[in-house]
Amino acid sequence: DAKTTQPNSMESNEEEPVHLPCNHSTISGTDYIHWYRQLPSQGPEYVIHGLTSNVNNRMASLAIAEDRKSSTLILHRATLRDAAVYYCILRARGGGADGLTFGKGTHLIIQP
Amino acid sequence: ETGVTQTPRHLVMGMTNKKSLKCEQHLGHNAMYWYKQSAKKPLELMFVYNFKEQTENNSVPSRFSPECPNSSHLFLHLHTLQPEDSALYLCASSQDPGGAGDRETQYFGPGTRLLVL
Repeated sequence: DAKTTQPNSMESNEEEPVHLPCNHSTISGTDYIHWYRQLPSQGPEYVIHGLTSNVNNRMASLAIAEDRKSSTLILHRATLRDAAVYYCILRARGGGADGLTFGKGTHLIIQP
Repeated sequence: ETGVTQTPRHLVMGMTNKKSLKCEQHLGHNAMYWYKQSAKKPLELMFVYNFKEQTENNSVPSRFSPECPNSSHLFLHLHTLQPEDSALYLCASSQDPGGAGDRETQYFGPGTRLLVL
């Protein structure tokens, strides 16, 4: 899987939007962009994924740059429960049942 | 609740003990995974099972032995572990091996926190 780069940590205030960046300059045309997050003392959970177009779901939005070399996970109104480590992961289409390659992710801190 | 359960949630064992970790998924998925998360290190893939067949062993020492008797259950048998094997062991499943997008989404259990003394 191609490599991603994320900031080590970010801090935001409760009830404000949060934009979590991810750089993936070596992404290939068939790579999906997946985001997972890991809350304290829990296993990772799926957040959102996309290929080329921006995506929205009940948890977040994913904005993908036109050249696909970067993406941004958007939490529209952060709560204290969103404090977690967020992982940006590339997955090749049809990549088989191989595992996810996790980096260090971004540790998101939410201030009340 | 993700549909993936793991037992026990916590385990303390000596270096000469033999123990097993259990994972069960209630999602009808066909692929199951073991990951290891050590302190201050990224999650590392250990094993992958696809339709009950092991398809990946990520250079894991033989003191870790996986077993997948059916597509809903996954075990990790542990013997003669070392203190550096202390970690959070996570199980995950996905619907469709070789799929794309939604069908590759992995669902994780809460993990087993293992301490080797």
